Amino acid sequence: GQNIDQPTEMTATEGAIVQINCTYQTSGFNGLFWYQQHAGEAPTFLSYNVLDGLEEKGRFSSFLSRSKGYSYLLLKELQMKDSASYLCAVTFKGGSYIPTFGRGTSLIVHP
Amino acid sequence: SQTIHQWPATLVQPVGSPLSLECTVEGTSNPNLYWYRQAAGRGLQLLFYSVGIGQISSEVPQNLSASRPQDRQFILSSKKLLLSDSGFYLCAWSGGGPSTFGSGTRLTVV
Repeated sequence: GQNIDQPTEMTATEGAIVQINCTYQTSGFNGLFWYQQHAGEAPTFLSYNVLDGLEEKGRFSSFLSRSKGYSYLLLKELQMKDSASYLCAVTFKGGSYIPTFGRGTSLIVHP
Repeated sequence: SQTIHQWPATLVQPVGSPLSLECTVEGTSNPNLYWYRQAAGRGLQLLFYSVGIGQISSEVPQNLSASRPQDRQFILSSKKLLLSDSGFYLCAWSGGGPSTFGSGTRLTVV
């Protein structure tokens, strides 16, 4: 299978910037998604990267390097409500484009 | 707009009892449909996916089964639940882009 690796847990301070990394096997790569999941709730879509570079959406940005098999989610001006799990998911060609999810990174934002 | 409904929200079932979780999608045709399970503090484990009516692919051998009797209906079932079936079950759909998830079912097998 395709391994999607991301840190298990991160902590940051309110108002700061945090970067959550995700690495994956490059063979057959199609696209990469980031989701946010609050405890006990369903994941919600944040961003989608297909080409190299940075995609910005307000306080959240996502970066992709296809040659390195690497992505990061950047969260700026952190708020307490950003405390959640952040899931990286990758689709691969030849796999019916079914997303493979990482285990998620639990982000704790403290005052 | 597309919406996805999943029910029930919570369920407590005794070991050995049957299970039926239902998921329906509105506002789209021929979606890819997925069932995931998420154990506490763990990632999403894909259980089943379906690309069309009656087409079910199983990702892991287990005590569960899935059916897609209609284009926008996906059902997760079990004949006899095990303690290890406890978890958070999520239905999702996609049209090739990002997945949209249902609100989830918290299943506790006692």
